[in-house]
Amino acid sequence: DGGITQSPKYLFRKEGQNVTLSCEQNLNHDAMYWYRQDPGQGLRLIYYSQIVNDFQKGDIAEGYSVSREKKESFPLTVTSAQKNPTAFYLCASSTLAGGTDTQYFGPGTRLTVL
Amino acid sequence: AQSVTQLDSQVPVFEEAPVELRCNYSSSVSVYLFWYVQYPNQGLQLLLKYLSGSTLVKGINGFEAEFNKSQTSFHLRKPSVHISDTAEYFCAVKGGNFNKFYFGSGTKLNVKP
Repeated sequence: DGGITQSPKYLFRKEGQNVTLSCEQNLNHDAMYWYRQDPGQGLRLIYYSQIVNDFQKGDIAEGYSVSREKKESFPLTVTSAQKNPTAFYLCASSTLAGGTDTQYFGPGTRLTVL
Repeated sequence: AQSVTQLDSQVPVFEEAPVELRCNYSSSVSVYLFWYVQYPNQGLQLLLKYLSGSTLVKGINGFEAEFNKSQTSFHLRKPSVHISDTAEYFCAVKGGNFNKFYFGSGTKLNVKP
């Protein structure tokens, strides 16, 4: 089945630790995205990538880092510099066939800092 | 720049009643509009989208939405809701630079028996 997978589903981190969230897609999509979701705030864009080995900061990139070494994979690292990392993280992907592309989402990872 | 406003953070409704979830957007360019649904602890699932053509768009699960350019709105409607429609609904707009989506803050639909 084609789709987007995120792992783990739940993640607990101690303060001061870096953690990496996995996102893999087998939809052959060129573009991938990371969003953060907090209650009552909708989705906020962290990073996005249009092509392998290239990515751009979104609206709230501070304290996060990404890599795009393969088309299928776009891992997100939450660093110790992120002051309030507890949130629900969503990965998405889309084609780049003009402006009509739709974003498709993974099931999400809930990160809790202890 | 685009922005999206979902006027109602929560909408309670009884089963089999009609519902409308409101969405307004602001944009200086042509836009594409989307509605997504999110069930607890899950990702977002596409309900429907407006790209061009007919302003009335039909989606999955019996939902539909109407694009109104003069009022810059894209309200979501369903004539008769089910308990299973209880979820959070997000309106999104895309336009201008790249494929960047702008999401509203979400509306929680609570269908009561």
